[in-house]
Amino acid sequence: DQQVKQNSPSLSVQEGRISILNCDYTNSMFDYFLWYKKYPAEGPTFLISISSIKDKNEDGRFTVFLNKSAKHLSLHIVPSQPGDSAVYFCAAISGGGADGLTFGKGTHLIIQP
Amino acid sequence: EPEVTQTPSHQVTQMGQEVILRCVPISNHLYFYWYRQILGQKVEFLVSFYNNEISEKSEIFDDQFSVERPDGSNFTLKIRSTKLEDSAMYFCASKSQGAGETQYFGPGTRLLVL
Repeated sequence: DQQVKQNSPSLSVQEGRISILNCDYTNSMFDYFLWYKKYPAEGPTFLISISSIKDKNEDGRFTVFLNKSAKHLSLHIVPSQPGDSAVYFCAAISGGGADGLTFGKGTHLIIQP
Repeated sequence: EPEVTQTPSHQVTQMGQEVILRCVPISNHLYFYWYRQILGQKVEFLVSFYNNEISEKSEIFDDQFSVERPDGSNFTLKIRSTKLEDSAMYFCASKSQGAGETQYFGPGTRLLVL
């Protein structure tokens, strides 16, 4: 049962253009969402997060949008840079405390020069 | 910038052997986690630890797994009798109480069971 879905295994974007990574979830109890970036042989690196009480959060080149009614979130990277090439994971959690994150399968973003 | 560290980076073991994976969470963090990622699959939650006890665990975390915080800095995951299917990357993460829900991950230990 995939509670967090990233339906695009890979995405290729030209350098300088916008990258849009999508994530859908099924569990309406999720109230906090995070994006992590991962290079091969490294651990996930936190990028940006959003609480369910917001619909947008921006940090530099990264913006996350949340559409609760559609149970959909997206990560926008603009402009895309070569160093952005990595696997991006969407993760979600419900409640506070010690709950574990539920991850999607990831999207491999490739930035073309 | 503080970071989560993990040792060893790689471990090869024979099936049936015990392994201990070690983690040093970020200082002052109070919540600790173990996750694993089997090759080609998603990152999966194993267990969380708070106030010197297990808080949550997934169905993956069966009796062959245990966690411990033996001192004020280390957090360990023990697999008592490894199986071939335990081969995976194991990630430790930590979170500061009051810092929202952001968990910070270590670089991982690649475990290969032969």
